[in-house]
Amino acid sequence: SYVLTQPPSVSVAPGKTARITCGGNIIGSKSVHWYQQKPGQAPVLVIYSDIDRPSGIPERFSGSNSANTATLTISRVEAGDEADYYCQLWDSYSDRYVFGTGTKVTVL
Amino acid sequence: EVQLVESGGGLVKPGGSLRLSCAASGLTLNTYSMDWVRQAPGKGLEWVSSISSSSSYIYYADSVKGRFTISRDNAKNSLYLQMNSLRADDTAVYYCARVGDVGAEYFQHWGQGTLVTVSS
Repeated sequence: SYVLTQPPSVSVAPGKTARITCGGNIIGSKSVHWYQQKPGQAPVLVIYSDIDRPSGIPERFSGSNSANTATLTISRVEAGDEADYYCQLWDSYSDRYVFGTGTKVTVL
Repeated sequence: EVQLVESGGGLVKPGGSLRLSCAASGLTLNTYSMDWVRQAPGKGLEWVSSISSSSSYIYYADSVKGRFTISRDNAKNSLYLQMNSLRADDTAVYYCARVGDVGAEYFQHWGQGTLVTVSS
């Protein structure tokens, strides 16, 4: 089955840039989506189809996807960005949705 | 207000059954695929099952295949998950989720979740 690997944690100072990676076999050929989840809350979609932002999501959130790594970038990090982040895709080979292992972002 | 509301969670003994429901308000479900996603305590998100708009296509995670059944009632704008032969590792918050657009493969709308606890 398809596996998506994320770093368990990323720490970043306020105002700096956080980059969260999502590794998978030839992931650049697939469409990757990203979710933010704060404690006790449902996930929120922050990036879809590699690079698109839903309405209401700040421009500080951006995405990229190439080769074997997709990346969620949070610019000018704020305290409110502290959360768990998950990548996700549809694996058409196995007809399964797959979520990444999740990354906890800590704002120092 | 747009929302998905899950219900039916609770405490059940191993081997027991439970039926989850997801009702939508302010949000159309009948032309979109719908899914269940779960999250065990302190763990990450795990996709459980998916059903197409007309119920023609249904998919399950290997961990629940043969034990769980997803269904929907478009007339009632509702989604269901029948869970049988429950095990301790099925303990989780179960979210219903709607894809963002027809044919989309991402989840734009989520319920608040319902907790299922499997324990003797």
